[in-house]
Amino acid sequence: DAGVIQSPRHEVTEMGQEVTLRCKPISGHDYLFWYRQTMMRGLELLIYFNNNVPIDDSGMPEDRFSAKMPNASFSTLKIQPSEPRDSAVYFCASSPGAGGLYNEQFFGPGTRLTVL
Amino acid sequence: SQKIEQNSEALNIQEGKTATLTCNYTNYSPAYLQWYRQDPGRGPVFLLLIRENEKEKRKERLKVTFDTTLKQSLFHITASQPADSATYLCALGLNTGFQKLVFGTGTRLLVSP
Repeated sequence: DAGVIQSPRHEVTEMGQEVTLRCKPISGHDYLFWYRQTMMRGLELLIYFNNNVPIDDSGMPEDRFSAKMPNASFSTLKIQPSEPRDSAVYFCASSPGAGGLYNEQFFGPGTRLTVL
Repeated sequence: SQKIEQNSEALNIQEGKTATLTCNYTNYSPAYLQWYRQDPGRGPVFLLLIRENEKEKRKERLKVTFDTTLKQSLFHITASQPADSATYLCALGLNTGFQKLVFGTGTRLLVSP
């Protein structure tokens, strides 16, 4: 398996532009997570899905952020409009459903976003 | 307030020694705890999981302890090697019935030859 795939790996954009980050989870995994990592705040959970349904979006910073999972093999995180403080590394992770609470999460390589 | 604290300063040790990393938490009641390794420019990679009713878990050169009274987990790497140099993250698994993890900010480990 190729693991979790994210694109693009790097994104540089100007303030006010729309940014779309993409993720393909590991086939067969029931859970998908979006995280943001910064030096100051570490790795923060933004939102996660179970079987394509958003379960907890309490970490989404504000209405400028939105996430979708139209099918089991694809998810997007959109920022519109983007701001410099959104600059961070965004990770997607997936996890199998079997095993209940105790499953490990498999992370993608991340997207480094820079908003100028 | 809720906090997860890992030593923000890098831990420098000599090859062959045992590295011990600490994860302390406040105002959480985790059902389990996981440790991840993160290399520069990459996503975290799972290492070990320990449940609230377990005191200790081992995997090869790795050992994790979990003290719910002290609200602390210790992560040990024995016979450390330069290849063990990385950032190590602890993550609390919350007892919400779902798979939500809350991560610490990580400790960078540097193992010198």
